[in-house]
Amino acid sequence: SQKIEQNSEALNIQEGKTATLTCNYTNYSPAYLQWYRQDPGRGPVFLLLIRENEKEKRKERLKVTFDTTLKQSLFHITASQPADSATYLCALRGNAGNMLTFGGGTRLMVKP
Amino acid sequence: EAGVAQSPRYKIIEKRQSVAFWCNPISGHATLYWYQQILGQGPKLLIQFQNNGVVDDSQLPKDRFSAERLKGVDSTLKIQPAKLEDSAVYLCASNSRGTSGGAGYNEQFFGPGTRLTVL
Repeated sequence: SQKIEQNSEALNIQEGKTATLTCNYTNYSPAYLQWYRQDPGRGPVFLLLIRENEKEKRKERLKVTFDTTLKQSLFHITASQPADSATYLCALRGNAGNMLTFGGGTRLMVKP
Repeated sequence: EAGVAQSPRYKIIEKRQSVAFWCNPISGHATLYWYQQILGQGPKLLIQFQNNGVVDDSQLPKDRFSAERLKGVDSTLKIQPAKLEDSAVYLCASNSRGTSGGAGYNEQFFGPGTRLTVL
């Protein structure tokens, strides 16, 4: 069966360090993978999209990698700040149709 | 531009009652989505509209859930009758690309959601 797995345990890091979040998937052949940020009581907000033929994508302090062999995407936040504390969701399109499927999300806590 | 609007923000009902949620997408966005997000989980797609037509409703529990987008703009999602396990946040999202262009590939803009509690 198709699965998208993100670490369900919260990631606690110190301000200034690099946060690395993982998204693993099975039985998908996604053409694109997206990352969203979700704050409590709010809807997800789009951050980055990476295509299957792209190894890496950057946006300011954010970096996403996409390894279709390992079936994994890594999401990095460099020089993390307390304001980066949120839940981060990965999402990818399934094998049929245009449906976007989300992982369970990983909660990031950046301590000052 | 104004974001995706949803109402109400919160709703508490008894099991077996009915409830309806409303969504107004970003102006000009042809594709509209309804998601269910249970506490501690990621959003799960319930239904996807392209203008006023249904593109995907494979995960919509059709015995109790219904949705419409009659004029291709606003949408309503209804649950009748509600069960305890329907307690969740119901998110509406929209984007501008049609299905031929791969709407699922483009960023989706989400509303704040409606938090439903079924007692």
